[in-house]
Amino acid sequence: ETAVFQTPNYHVTQVGNEVSFNCKQTLGHDTMYWYKQDSKKLLKIMFSYNNKQLIVNETVPRRFSPQSSDKAHLNLRIKSVEPEDSAVYLCASSSRQGGPDTQYFGPGTRLLVL
Amino acid sequence: SQLAEENPWALSVHEGESVTVNCSYKTSITALQWYRQKSGEGPAQLILIRSNEREKRNGRLRATLDTSSQSSSLSITATRCEDTAVYFCAPWTQVVGQLTFGSGTRLQVYA
Repeated sequence: ETAVFQTPNYHVTQVGNEVSFNCKQTLGHDTMYWYKQDSKKLLKIMFSYNNKQLIVNETVPRRFSPQSSDKAHLNLRIKSVEPEDSAVYLCASSSRQGGPDTQYFGPGTRLLVL
Repeated sequence: SQLAEENPWALSVHEGESVTVNCSYKTSITALQWYRQKSGEGPAQLILIRSNEREKRNGRLRATLDTSSQSSSLSITATRCEDTAVYFCAPWTQVVGQLTFGSGTRLQVYA
């Protein structure tokens, strides 16, 4: 099956903890993304990454960092979570960076920070 | 402020009815995509319409693009309960260099 896979589905944690979310795509794409979706469904891009370039949205706090082992994997680490980090985190991929190509999304990881 | 905005915020229809979601955006674009997000899932692309196209169809879906008024619409005919979802427009602009999503229109289709 070719798709974008994310784990875990849900994660509940306390303020100050470190969390890491996994994303894997089996579509053979070169570019992967992380988005944050808030409770009002607003989607905001956090990172865009291929093996040549990482593009970081300037509004993303430094406690967030992407981690990639190869072009099929892009994980998201949050060093010390805060209450405002509660959201759905969506991973996506596309065939290239820098063009209006279709993005394929995973089902998301729902984070609740207590 | 957001680069793209869908309206209305929400709407509901009965199965079989037609519905239209509108999108306005704020800059010149290379293309615009429409996505649908069902509950518990990630968004899935429905239609990609390029700046030199005025209309694009995909089954029961029809998207229009008017670059002079910087607006787009997505129409769904013969709606089904499974069309219940949040619908997003996502313009792509060379200036920003990435897709930008609005906050979506929530469509509820009743049996």
